[in-house]
Amino acid sequence: DAGVTQSPTHLIKTRGQQVTLRCSPISGHKSVSWYQQVLGQGPQFIFQYYEKEERGRGNFPDRFSARQFPNYSSELNVNALLLGDSALYLCASSRTGGFFQETQYFGPGTRLLVL
Amino acid sequence: EDKVVQSPLSLVVHEGDTVTLNCSYEVTNFRSLLWYKQEKKAPTFLFMLTSSGIEKKSGRLSSILDKKELSSILNITATQTGDSAIYLCAVEVPRDNFNKFYFGSGTKLNVKP
Repeated sequence: DAGVTQSPTHLIKTRGQQVTLRCSPISGHKSVSWYQQVLGQGPQFIFQYYEKEERGRGNFPDRFSARQFPNYSSELNVNALLLGDSALYLCASSRTGGFFQETQYFGPGTRLLVL
Repeated sequence: EDKVVQSPLSLVVHEGDTVTLNCSYEVTNFRSLLWYKQEKKAPTFLFMLTSSGIEKKSGRLSSILDKKELSSILNITATQTGDSAIYLCAVEVPRDNFNKFYFGSGTKLNVKP
């Protein structure tokens, strides 16, 4: 089975622009979570979605938004990009996203550079 | 505020050495602790720990949880250059209708030949 996939792998944007990142979870997994990992730090939780509904949100501004589609894939959108948004954006999938004790599996990430 | 702290931040050893990585946590409600290895991008899952005192083992890697001390250690014996990576610790905290994962900053391990 394929693992979690993300696209694109790398992205360069300028301040003020908007970006959309995509994620496809492992087959059979219905929950997707998004994380931001700044260089030298651990991943920080942004959103979790399950069955197309937002289940949880981290401490990120409203410029960050996401959605999940009927096939359980997900998009993360960031508007009005700032230099500080430069990071590795990781997507993680799990079966239920929290009903049971379960492991999250990560995709390869999208490295975003904002100039 | 829920937080996870890892130590040391970085470590340089030689092949064959044994290393111990530490993870401590302060969270409102604990469900599990997970260890991940991050080499280039995607963190890859190593262990999930839920019960105190029960060691999980996979080859040269092992880990144990101490709920009384709110901590966990990850041991790597007979290290190899391929063990060079960032090791992340995450704690799973149940919220209203989802589980939130808090990550530490990681320990960067460099194994020299």
